[in-house]
Amino acid sequence: KQEVTQIPAALSVPEGENLVLNCSFTDSAIYNLQWFRQDPGKGLTSLLLIQSSQREQTSGRLNASLDKSSGRSTLYIAASQPGDSATYLCAVRDHTDKLIFGTGTRLQVFP
Amino acid sequence: GAGVSQTPSNKVTEKGKYVELRCDPISGHTALYWYRQSLGQGPEFLIYFQGTGAADDSGLPNDRFFAVRPEGSVSTLKIQRTERGDSAVYLCASSPDRSYNEQFFGPGTRLTVL
Repeated sequence: KQEVTQIPAALSVPEGENLVLNCSFTDSAIYNLQWFRQDPGKGLTSLLLIQSSQREQTSGRLNASLDKSSGRSTLYIAASQPGDSATYLCAVRDHTDKLIFGTGTRLQVFP
Repeated sequence: GAGVSQTPSNKVTEKGKYVELRCDPISGHTALYWYRQSLGQGPEFLIYFQGTGAADDSGLPNDRFFAVRPEGSVSTLKIQRTERGDSAVYLCASSPDRSYNEQFFGPGTRLTVL
């Protein structure tokens, strides 16, 4: 059974720092991995999607990498801003088409 | 265009009551998913529709939960004899079809069972 773990569970940093959020999964037979952002009381906003054949994806200050064989992904946030404060979730899609989520990393960026 | 919408945004009910949660997917999306997110947890899969049929309902916790999508568009998640443990945010997502990579999520319905 696929299990997804995210470390750390919470992170508080001053504005301007570069951050790394970690995601690990137990079964490497995935189709893709997706990183989401969730603001309090809101739904999920997709940030980056990495296909199983890809190594990384970039969007603005965000970069996500995937090492499928070791069951790991990282989300790198450059020059963090207070507006980046949110919960970040990673999810893997398996052969059944459903997404399996981690428990998230709660990020707070203070001015 | 419009994204996935869910109604109501909040629902408070009493233990033992019946509730219905509605999801309007993005127009033309044939795949529709329901997830449940408990406090402090990631979303967990409930059920997946391809068109009108439930392709995978393995995530429904028990027979009090049921979902329909009679015309292949709007879906309703139905919960009978609600229990306090059903309190959670219920998220709906849609996708153009099952082979498409990305799922697009709605804002969710927060269900509170007193």
